Amino acid sequence: EVQLVESGGGSVLSGGSLRLTCAASGFTFSSSSLHWVRQAPGKGLEWISYISGDSNIKYYADSVKGRFTISRDNAKNSLFLQLNSLRDEDTAVYYCARDRYGVHLVNWGQGILVTVSS
Amino acid sequence: IQMTQSPSSLSASVGDRVTITCQASHDINVYLDWYQQRPGKVPRLLIFDASHLEAGIPSRFSGSGSGTDFTLTISSLQPEDFATYYCQHYANVPYTFGQGTNLEIK
Repeated sequence: EVQLVESGGGSVLSGGSLRLTCAASGFTFSSSSLHWVRQAPGKGLEWISYISGDSNIKYYADSVKGRFTISRDNAKNSLFLQLNSLRDEDTAVYYCARDRYGVHLVNWGQGILVTVSS
Repeated sequence: IQMTQSPSSLSASVGDRVTITCQASHDINVYLDWYQQRPGKVPRLLIFDASHLEAGIPSRFSGSGSGTDFTLTISSLQPEDFATYYCQHYANVPYTFGQGTNLEIK
């Protein structure tokens, strides 16, 4: 069974940093590309980042480019999202997701809440 | 590429046929998926490549369209279908979601 479990969320002051982790199991991690998607409270889904299985390809939404960094450790079956220069509008539940063929989000974690306050 | 769903919210009854539309600001071929998010739950993939039913999804769900105009149809609403539905394109980065359609019980 595929499992994705996010951790590392919490409350942080505006301008601060957090590092989210997504621990994966139940599939061949190094062969899978992964995404981060977020959802502000009561709002819709926002795709924010992608990383290929070998980490050679990374994509970001404009809203987080230059502030967030996606990475992975295939030896530890873990996906990361480093969140820097956090803003109030970054408050959201952050989901990691595994894709099929690089695009279709077929497995999702339960999400982790990040709250940014000024 | 911007994705615009309509309506933003919809009230319907069990057994109704419902159609949700998604319009892309540029031609995206068939590079579109549909997701369902029940209250308090994580999203799940319903339809991929605009019209292909994901494994395990009931056949009352169907998708159609290409280019800029797409539809998600639920042929006969069931109680568990009351949820929010999102389209997402993957024609290029960023893989933008539509704003969502909240399907409520009438």
